[in-house]
Amino acid sequence: NAGVMQNPRHLVRRRGQEARLRCSPMKGHSHVYWYRQLPEEGLKFMVYLQKENIIDESGMPKERFSAEFPKEGPSILRIQQVVRGDSAAYFCASSPLASGSFSYEQYFGPGTRLTVT
Amino acid sequence: AQSVTQLDSQVPVFEEAPVELRCNYSSSVSVYLFWYVQYPNQGLQLLLKYLSGSTLVKGINGFEAEFNKSQTSFHLRKPSVHISDTAEYFCAVEMDSSYKLIFGSGTRLLVRP
Repeated sequence: NAGVMQNPRHLVRRRGQEARLRCSPMKGHSHVYWYRQLPEEGLKFMVYLQKENIIDESGMPKERFSAEFPKEGPSILRIQQVVRGDSAAYFCASSPLASGSFSYEQYFGPGTRLTVT
Repeated sequence: AQSVTQLDSQVPVFEEAPVELRCNYSSSVSVYLFWYVQYPNQGLQLLLKYLSGSTLVKGINGFEAEFNKSQTSFHLRKPSVHISDTAEYFCAVEMDSSYKLIFGSGTRLLVRP
């Protein structure tokens, strides 16, 4: 029973290059969330997706960042023209469809650590 | 604005001593509360959660937390810590079933022999 998978685990990019981060949710989960953790800080919500839909991208920087969750395949977080300030750990979480009064419990992946040189 | 505060950035403690990690939140709506643990270079693992019902919640690894609505707190406790508990602990809040987790800045628990 595999958990949330993210790859690569570590990614090094030079300034101006593109970074592409992948997230495969747990089996049976149709909701994906991306969070960013800057050094010495807590996680900050970026975007919430369901299959083929962006539900909430209120935490995404307005430029250079985009996310998708296609009908087939993993969710992708893309950062174009990376800058040093993008260096962070990016975590993906997934959840099943919840019902009743229970929270959409989120299960986290191991993260991708992006370093921009 | 809704926020989560973990006042202690680091808590050093000796092995087998009790520990309490503090978490306060600001919200005027109903909340779900979580504690996550993050070991070095790993992802987050859910320790425990409060959704409703009993305000004392028991989690994995001997941890427990108590929801105090009047003080808007959700402090994490363990009566006797082990070296292996050394990690970063994050308190998180989900407000009004909004799915968006709001995290505190974390508390580094450092257990010394």
